[in-house]
Amino acid sequence: SYELTQPPSVSVSPGQTARITCSGDALPKQYAYWYQQKPGQAPVLVIYKDSERPSGIPERFSGSSSGTTVTLTISGVQAEDEADYYCQSADSSGTFYVVFGGGTKLTVL
Amino acid sequence: QVQLVESGGGVVQPGGSLRLSCAASGFTFSSYGMHWVRQAPGKGLEWVAFIRYDGSNKYYADSVKGRFTISRDNSKNTLYLQMNSLRAEDTAVYYCAKDGDYGGNSNFDYWGQGTLVTVSS
Repeated sequence: SYELTQPPSVSVSPGQTARITCSGDALPKQYAYWYQQKPGQAPVLVIYKDSERPSGIPERFSGSSSGTTVTLTISGVQAEDEADYYCQSADSSGTFYVVFGGGTKLTVL
Repeated sequence: QVQLVESGGGVVQPGGSLRLSCAASGFTFSSYGMHWVRQAPGKGLEWVAFIRYDGSNKYYADSVKGRFTISRDNSKNTLYLQMNSLRAEDTAVYYCAKDGDYGGNSNFDYWGQGTLVTVSS
């Protein structure tokens, strides 16, 4: 089976930089996507294709990829960024699958 | 603007059935694949099923294969999820999500607000 692994939690003070990692053996071959989910709300796409930002997403959100790990970076963290963050990948070239990481709770201290 | 509105959730006994619907608007529904994603209480996101824009192909997570059926009616701009042989572990908020316009493989650019399914005796 295909898995993505995230740390359960990350904590930062306001104004600092938060980095959330996501590891998976297929990540060198498949794009990763990142979603932000606040309590009681549906997820929102914040990064697509490893490092691209959808319109309307603040510039402080960025993504990067290196080997089997992708990273979501939030620069100058604000209180409103406190949320759960999920990485996601997929493959439709062979056996179709879509997989999410377990999620990371970002706490703004 | 894109809107996805789920309905049909509720309380059902183990072994029972339920059909979820997702009404779509604000985009050309018949041009996009659609997904169901669920989230058990206090847990993470789990992909459930995908259907291509024309219904020609359907894919399922192993956890629901053989019990759930995804379908769509492009004339009604509506996505469905027929859930049979429900188990306690199927208890979750079920989201419908539009397959993203951002390239690469499957991703989700719009989500509904979700409908809660509770499987309990």
